[in-house]
Amino acid sequence: NAGVTQTPKFQVLKTGQSMTLQCAQDMNHEYMSWYRQDPGMGLRLIHYSVGAGITDQGEVPNGYNVSRSTTEDFPLRLLSAAPSQTSVYFCASSTGNTIYFGEGSWLTVV
Amino acid sequence: GEDVEQSLFLSVREGDSSVINCTYTDSSSTYLYWYKQEPGAGLQLLTYIFSNMDMKQDQRLTVLLNKKDKHLSLRIADTQTGDSAIYFCAESITGGSQGNLIFGKGTKLSVKP
Repeated sequence: NAGVTQTPKFQVLKTGQSMTLQCAQDMNHEYMSWYRQDPGMGLRLIHYSVGAGITDQGEVPNGYNVSRSTTEDFPLRLLSAAPSQTSVYFCASSTGNTIYFGEGSWLTVV
Repeated sequence: GEDVEQSLFLSVREGDSSVINCTYTDSSSTYLYWYKQEPGAGLQLLTYIFSNMDMKQDQRLTVLLNKKDKHLSLRIADTQTGDSAIYFCAESITGGSQGNLIFGKGTKLSVKP
């Protein structure tokens, strides 16, 4: 059982480039979400989804797009990367009150 | 809006008990969580408590919840060097989808041998 899998683990982007962070879960969870973690900060919610075809914004959605075409996958897209998006990104999925996090994706925008 | 506050650092000696404190603002939170993060790793769920409970014990971990004061604590008994990590307190967001959490900034626990 892989749980929540994120790829890539590390990525360096140039300002203005686009990329997609992948997230997949094999637990058949309806709920999935993306958080970012900045130095000295807790995690902040970017976007979330309560099921296939349904997405909504979290606390810090600007600069990010998401879609949820299947229950398993919840990719996070950066359309035009900015240095302010340098961060560690965590994907999560949950059932009921138990929330599982992926291992994180370290993104640097130069 | 909702906010979760934690002290940033805690240092203890191996074998002592550690107590990490957290305060939150949303009195309607249904669940409160403790996560552990080791350097370069993801978040590991340690334990959680439902808001109608006062205490929850799980092996070396004891969670105390004072709902009146909106205060949550995590006690780690017989702290070991392997417990050195950052500990995050988080509350579920009222009215939001289950799984939307507000996190504190984390408490860095250092365990001295």
